[in-house]
Amino acid sequence: SQTIHQWPATLVQPVGSPLSLECTVEGTSNPNLYWYRQAAGRGLQLLFYSVGIGQISSEVPQNLSASRPQDRQFILSSKKLLLSDSGFYLCAWSLQGDYGYTFGSGTRLTVV
Amino acid sequence: AQSVTQLGSHVSVSEGALVLLRCNYSSSVPPYLFWYVQYPNQGLQLLLKYTTGATLVKGINGFEAEFKKSETSFHLTKPSAHMSDAAEYFCAVSALGTGKLIFGQGTTLQVKP
Repeated sequence: SQTIHQWPATLVQPVGSPLSLECTVEGTSNPNLYWYRQAAGRGLQLLFYSVGIGQISSEVPQNLSASRPQDRQFILSSKKLLLSDSGFYLCAWSLQGDYGYTFGSGTRLTVV
Repeated sequence: AQSVTQLGSHVSVSEGALVLLRCNYSSSVPPYLFWYVQYPNQGLQLLLKYTTGATLVKGINGFEAEFKKSETSFHLTKPSAHMSDAAEYFCAVSALGTGKLIFGQGTTLQVKP
């Protein structure tokens, strides 16, 4: 069966520090991968999505970047965090051509 | 462009009462529609989805939703609320050809004893 792993679960980082959040999927090949951010009262905002290794699409200009170094690995990064980067970050995957997402358990990021 | 509107950011019901969470969508082509549930500090879990075929869709935990094209709606219902149903619920519509889901702003369901 397919599983998705996302870590860490919580993270407190100072302003200006770097960020790296990792997401991996098991039990499937060539999935679509997604990074969402959920800020309080603002629903889910799609940040990045990827349909294959090295293929990243950015939805909104921001202080973050994403990479997909391996088929089932999706990384969210920042060189210098801002206070506004605080939020709940969710990774998700879907099969190619299927719109049903499976979400990871999320990372609560607090920038102080 | 596709969009989703969830009517009511907070809904409160008594335990045992009917749950009705409203979702309207905008799409120029036949949509795929979804409902997800999120418990505090957790990821989203798929409740049900409509792609094609029968317009009344049954999901997990006793929830169901009906696709009404004429009303561009996909409301979520459950006949009898349980305390464990307290969570945030998201409606979503597919963005055709992209594999991306567009989410509504969410509705927080409170269940009172």
